[in-house]
Amino acid sequence: EIVLTQSPGTLSLSPGERATLSCRASQSVSSSFLAWYQQKPGQAPRLFIYGASSRAAGIPDRFSGSGSGTDFTLTISRLEPEDFAVYYCQQYGSSIWTFGQGTKVEIK
Amino acid sequence: QVQLVQSGAEVKKPGSSVRVSCKASGDTFRNYGFSWVRQAPGQGLEWMGGIIPIFGTANYKQKFQGRVTITADESTSTVYMDLSSLRSEDTAIYYCARDFHPSLHCLGAACNGLVGFDPWGQGTLVTVSS
Repeated sequence: EIVLTQSPGTLSLSPGERATLSCRASQSVSSSFLAWYQQKPGQAPRLFIYGASSRAAGIPDRFSGSGSGTDFTLTISRLEPEDFAVYYCQQYGSSIWTFGQGTKVEIK
Repeated sequence: QVQLVQSGAEVKKPGSSVRVSCKASGDTFRNYGFSWVRQAPGQGLEWMGGIIPIFGTANYKQKFQGRVTITADESTSTVYMDLSSLRSEDTAIYYCARDFHPSLHCLGAACNGLVGFDPWGQGTLVTVSS
């Protein structure tokens, strides 16, 4: 099973700042099968990025994904108040899906 | 616009079983897979397993093998997740999600659009307590 490790666990930033979230896989992952989700308290997760770098419908362009192989990044160029949430990466491999443990982006 | 509506909260005794349903509306049921993901209180997301109705077979995370059964009823566009031998550690919110599965949308690593889970159901709280 491929393990996804996200860092940092918590990111404390101010609105307007840039956020960089990391997702590292224990072995190489196909970029086509790497996704990112946002989850706010009391809500279901929402797909934000698929294929490592493609934004899902309705996701603002301040969100971008990049990476390949074992290292992937979600970047939020300028944090808006509604962006403070938990973000999870996800991958598909060997017939199963796995999630990272999440990164919480909190207001500093 | 696809919507997934899940059944309501459950309270179960240790050792019993629970069934959670997920009804899909708004799109062709057979074109997609469906997965179940759980989230224990204050914890992250854990994929449990999924089904692709057009193939008719389910796939499970090894941890849940033998305890979870996922089925799909195409006549009602409903997916079910049965979890048996419940213990307190199974207390969690259980989500269903439409699964844009690689086996349906990709040839090798070349994919025709989105691969991932979208949308998700609203979640079902299952509490296991004596």
